[in-house]
Amino acid sequence: GQQLNQSPQSMFIQEGEDVSMNCTSSSIFNTWLWYKQDPGEGPVLLIALYKAGELTSNGRLTAQFGITRKDSFLNISASIPSDVGIYFCAGPMDSNYQLIWGAGTKLIIKP
Amino acid sequence: DAGVIQSPRHEVTEMGQEVTLRCKPISGHDYLFWYRQTMMRGLELLIYFNNNVPIDDSGMPEDRFSAKMPNASFSTLKIQPSEPRDSAVYFCASRPGTSGIGGELFFGEGSRLTVL
Repeated sequence: GQQLNQSPQSMFIQEGEDVSMNCTSSSIFNTWLWYKQDPGEGPVLLIALYKAGELTSNGRLTAQFGITRKDSFLNISASIPSDVGIYFCAGPMDSNYQLIWGAGTKLIIKP
Repeated sequence: DAGVIQSPRHEVTEMGQEVTLRCKPISGHDYLFWYRQTMMRGLELLIYFNNNVPIDDSGMPEDRFSAKMPNASFSTLKIQPSEPRDSAVYFCASRPGTSGIGGELFFGEGSRLTVL
């Protein structure tokens, strides 16, 4: 079945560093979604990508929809303490409204 | 506008007890989803409703789990009897029907369940 492989599983970075994470699939997706979950909260949508090759920014966040439609990348520039949390990629299953979720990338900022 | 509202935020119960989790979706949203999140399995979709009708409950782990949506502004997820392996954070999420496939899901803050 469709699966999303997200990496890295966790990242320990210094404040101010840039962050990169990615999501890959063996199946083609027509939409890629990136969510962030703060501790004790539900996930919140950061960026949605709808077109192969699309590059979309949201403040310091930039996400790309891979040309093959089997991968997506999320970059965070100049990380700040409030960036800590778990970042999830997700994509819709076939033609219904269910989402497949990656396992998440946990971002930890070293003091 | 209020977001998705879930209650209780935390529940600690003993094995064998009935647990009822509640959700009020965002007004006007046609779709409601119940998810479970654990360290081992991540986010799992349990069931989702469209216009109060259950569409897909294939993610409900066992007959001990049941979900209802009696009206557009209220849904419950019930576990009876509860077991320690049901310990998890349960999220409710909603979305409008007009947003299309891949549209934004709005999550509640979750209900953290601990079954002793």
